[in-house]
Amino acid sequence: GQNIDQPTEMTATEGAIVQINCTYQTSGFNGLFWYQQHAGEAPTFLSYNVLDGLEEKGRFSSFLSRSKGYSYLLLKELQMKDSASYLCAVGYNTDKLIFGTGTRLQVFP
Amino acid sequence: GAVVSQHPSWVICKSGTSVKIECRSLDFQATTMFWYRQFPKQSLMLMATSNEGSKATYEQGVEKDKFLINHASLTLSTLTVTSAHPEDSSFYICSARVERTSGSYEQYFGPGTRLTVT
Repeated sequence: GQNIDQPTEMTATEGAIVQINCTYQTSGFNGLFWYQQHAGEAPTFLSYNVLDGLEEKGRFSSFLSRSKGYSYLLLKELQMKDSASYLCAVGYNTDKLIFGTGTRLQVFP
Repeated sequence: GAVVSQHPSWVICKSGTSVKIECRSLDFQATTMFWYRQFPKQSLMLMATSNEGSKATYEQGVEKDKFLINHASLTLSTLTVTSAHPEDSSFYICSARVERTSGSYEQYFGPGTRLTVT
């Protein structure tokens, strides 16, 4: 079956670093995506990993270990606007995505 | 680039009526679009894959006769919720598939349509 796990909620303070973990067990794998979703809005693309290792993009970095079925999203220098849900998604069947339940991050001043 | 729009952004309808939601790729052509549904505090669930010029493929458990999908052009896919019931109230999001230069695919999401059935 398809299973993607993320923590439900996390909190952090402005300026801090937070790591959001994602573990997955899927029947296929074409890459791992991270999306940011503010309440009532559509997801916006953050990162894509298909090979093991760390991908850095500004304040956001994403890591993938395919052998462990594990990824994390690292957010540095947190800002209030980073309060949102972060969705881990696995690509399968060429172009489909299966989403995790999302992690709701609250950033406090 | 790769902007996807949806219309309407929200709609309220009475139980038993039908509602049509449009998904458009504004600055690119999309042979494949996806329709998702998201209930409050839950993640996105794929409902169906919409292919231009052919029948949509539905995920297990999604009633194809209730959720009619039409992808008549390379920039427009529509989802019609027929005989809507309160349990169909949800956030419906479409996405368009874009091929990366590496050969892999990425999805760009529309802003979503909030459907409330009374």
